[in-house]
Amino acid sequence: DSGVTQTPKHLITATGQRVTLRCSPRSGDLSVYWYQQSLDQGLQFLIHYYNGEERAKGNILERFSAQQFPDLHSELNLSSLELGDSALYFCASSFGLAVSYEQYFGPGTRLTVT
Amino acid sequence: GENVEQHPSTLSVQEGDSAVIKCTYSDSASNYFPWYKQELGKRPQLIIDIRSNVGEKKDQRIAVTLNKTAKHFSLHITETQPEDSAVYFCAAELTSGGGADGLTFGKGTHLIIQP
Repeated sequence: DSGVTQTPKHLITATGQRVTLRCSPRSGDLSVYWYQQSLDQGLQFLIHYYNGEERAKGNILERFSAQQFPDLHSELNLSSLELGDSALYFCASSFGLAVSYEQYFGPGTRLTVT
Repeated sequence: GENVEQHPSTLSVQEGDSAVIKCTYSDSASNYFPWYKQELGKRPQLIIDIRSNVGEKKDQRIAVTLNKTAKHFSLHITETQPEDSAVYFCAAELTSGGGADGLTFGKGTHLIIQP
């Protein structure tokens, strides 16, 4: 157990819908990263938040957005869902700002878009 | 942006033999290279990492080597055991003008340890 929690574990929804994925980082960690894992694209970095502020964006679609709240938990919002958005979404937390701090991954949320 | 190529995609070795997984990267500004292990249905876990000021790092049966000039790094696992069976991902620091932005991952290597 990494100490990072994600909810829900599984999510099944229809195309065009909007969903919110939640991540609680390890106690004391200030950074939260979001990743998407799919068979064809592999593991892709989406976005990084540090202490409530967005720090970096990766391959995140405009239909996706995220935020980190004062209690440091983070939410990833996915809207206008398409079949291709079906994937495993991980968040990871680390103590510091630099990407070289060890990242601890949560168990993931499996999203299925039908 | 950074591009990371990883080979092979599948590697089958006999238990007790060594396994080597290789990665190349494109951004010469990258300074941090972690390796993650992901068992079936589980989360990725960091197993070893290396920074650009070091050429090699070892942790028991696992070692990583880095050649900054050639922009490639490799994972070496010696005396492989059944519990080493998993998918291994290499990654490189994704940088921009303002500093490190995240990690770019290779496509993964499925390591199979044959008994």
